[in-house]
Amino acid sequence: GAGVSQSPSNKVTEKGKDVELRCDPISGHTALYWYRQRLGQGLEFLIYFQGNSAPDKSGLPSDRFSAERTGESVSTLTIQRTQQEDSAVYLCASFRSGSSDEQFFGPGTRLTVL
Amino acid sequence: AQSVTQPDIHITVSEGASLELRCNYSYGATPYLFWYVQSPGQGLQLLLKYFSGDTLVQGIKGFEAEFKRSQSSFNLRKPSVHWSDAAEYFCAVDFSGGYNKLIFGAGTRLAVHP
Repeated sequence: GAGVSQSPSNKVTEKGKDVELRCDPISGHTALYWYRQRLGQGLEFLIYFQGNSAPDKSGLPSDRFSAERTGESVSTLTIQRTQQEDSAVYLCASFRSGSSDEQFFGPGTRLTVL
Repeated sequence: AQSVTQPDIHITVSEGASLELRCNYSYGATPYLFWYVQSPGQGLQLLLKYFSGDTLVQGIKGFEAEFKRSQSSFNLRKPSVHWSDAAEYFCAVDFSGGYNKLIFGAGTRLAVHP
């Protein structure tokens, strides 16, 4: 597709359940980022993938959060044993090194933990 | 710690009036600077960016921003606001030297009165 896509667009889950969020980056973009945006706040960096290098996980808030990416394709963000404070919009962005240096953002997944 | 501050949480202007949104970042080597806009129900869109050179940068939709090293600021301006400019504006800073690992401010919500 032409842009970054994310699925699902909305996810409601019960506290303690695991959730998996998906991001399809723009084809050819080597870098992929996950951010979290809590209500009324700015974006918090979570994790960054660049090609086949080890990901930068410095923004993951706890060991309940993990993410995977195979090559330069789809990424999944997994949150285990969800808590109410995990409720937020999770945004994915992709970036092609050496290009306009612009990150292109997906529409986000709104996660609500009851 | 590296940080980005947007002092104004909410701003209201009249259509046709001028606009300035403030952004300050914590001191460090000259970072890469960005302004993004997030409209209701839409993803983030890049308005403009500064990497080097002329400190006054022009962006899309008639926006411009000026980098002032002495003040660690990158304020966004528009001479005449349109009703369609109502949105949330985020300043973002890349302290990672081009790896595009962005730190976002908390955002400024702009309302436009007719």
